[in-house]
Amino acid sequence: QKEVEQDPGPLSVPEGAIVSLNCTYSNSAFQYFMWYRQYSRKGPELLMYTYSSGNKEDGRFTAQVDKSSKYISLFIRDSQPSDSATYLCAMSPRRRNQAGTALIFGKGTTLSVSS
Amino acid sequence: EAGVAQSPRYKIIEKRQSVAFWCNPISGHATLYWYQQILGQGPKLLIQFQNNGVVDDSQLPKDRFSAERLKGVDSTLKIQPAKLEDSAVYLCASSLDWTSRRDTQYFGPGTRLTVL
Repeated sequence: QKEVEQDPGPLSVPEGAIVSLNCTYSNSAFQYFMWYRQYSRKGPELLMYTYSSGNKEDGRFTAQVDKSSKYISLFIRDSQPSDSATYLCAMSPRRRNQAGTALIFGKGTTLSVSS
Repeated sequence: EAGVAQSPRYKIIEKRQSVAFWCNPISGHATLYWYQQILGQGPKLLIQFQNNGVVDDSQLPKDRFSAERLKGVDSTLKIQPAKLEDSAVYLCASSLDWTSRRDTQYFGPGTRLTVL
C-alpha cells in the first residue's frame, strides 16, 4: 500500500459545479496536510495548508482533514474553467528540527471544468 | 517578488550522457529542494538543503545523481550518466526555513528532461 493514494481521474465537470477531491493515507504520523494546484507545464503552487484535523476555508476552496479515517478532501465551490489543473495532495509528519520528514505527494487528480 | 528560477526549461539527451540543471531560489530563502516528477506521478524529493548543508538526501540515487549549493543560494543538480528512467520533470523549490511550523515551499517551473 502506497503511503498516499489519490485517484488520478480525469474529472470533468461543468462550470459552477461543486468539485470534491480526495486522498487517503496510511501513515498515522502525518500532521501537516496541503493541497497544491499544478497547471500544465508549471510548478505546483500551494492552495491550502492544514495542521491536524478539521476544516479550513479560503474563498471557494475548503480543505477537510479526518485523521481518524486517514482521509483528506478539497472542495471547490462554483468551479470555473480557470480551475482546470492537476490537484496534488501532500502531507508530512514534519516537526521542527527533525530531518528526514519530507513532503509526500499523491499522484494528482486532473480536473477539467467546461464552460 | 521574483519566483524560483530554473534553467534550462527543456533538455533532450541520449542515455549515458551527462546533464546539469540550475536553480535560483527566492531571495532570502534558506531551504532549497530538488524534486523529481515522473509523468503521472506526484513530485518525489531528491535532496533538501538548508543554506549550503544537506538536510535530507535519502532518496537521491547517489551513484548517478549529485547536487550542490556551494554558497547557500543557487544550486545545481547533475545526472551522470543518464538512464531512460530519468526522463521526468525536475522541480526546484525553496522556502524561508523548513524548521518553521508553517513553512511554505514555492516551486519553480521545472526542467523537462527527455532521455532517448
